[in-house]
Amino acid sequence: SQTIHQWPATLVQPVGSPLSLECTVEGTSNPNLYWYRQAAGRGLQLLFYSVGIGQISSEVPQNLSASRPQDRQFILSSKKLLLSDSGFYLCAWGKTGAAFFGQGTRLTVV
Amino acid sequence: QKEVEQNSGPLSVPEGAIASLNCTYSDRVSQSFFWYRQYSGKSPELIMSIYSNGDKEDGRFTAQLNKASQYVSLLIRDSQPSDSATYLCAVKDAGGTSYGKLTFGQGTILTVHP
Repeated sequence: SQTIHQWPATLVQPVGSPLSLECTVEGTSNPNLYWYRQAAGRGLQLLFYSVGIGQISSEVPQNLSASRPQDRQFILSSKKLLLSDSGFYLCAWGKTGAAFFGQGTRLTVV
Repeated sequence: QKEVEQNSGPLSVPEGAIASLNCTYSDRVSQSFFWYRQYSGKSPELIMSIYSNGDKEDGRFTAQLNKASQYVSLLIRDSQPSDSATYLCAVKDAGGTSYGKLTFGQGTILTVHP
């Protein structure tokens, strides 16, 4: 069966510090991979999605970047965090059907 | 910009009642539709997928799709307090450069009171 791992579960970072969130998928190959952000009380905002290694589509201009160095690894990064980057970050994988989410990372920028 | 719209609620129903959640989408060529449940502080979990016009039933849940009206709904029968959560509608892009993209609505907060 397929599983998705996302870490860490919570993170508190100062403004201006770098960020690296990692997500890995097991039990499948060539999945679609997604990074979403959910601000408090808001819906899911698609940040990046990838249909293959090195193929990244960015949905919104922002302070973040994504990379897919391996088939089942998806990384979300920032060089300098802003207060507005706080939120609940969710990695997900999918194929032809639905997407399945990791546990999420709650990021607080202070 | 392709959009998915939901009433944000909150929707409050008594225990045992039917909860009806609605969603409309803007991209006429969309083919895949999903309902997710999200408990407070948790990640969304898939509860229903629907791809063809009509109804699809799974236990107490029924998803309904009308592609002509660009409308998808979720009915929850015999609602329980444990169904209290945010319900997210999601639509998958059919092709082109956006192939594989999954767009979510804002979610409807459901509260089932005893």
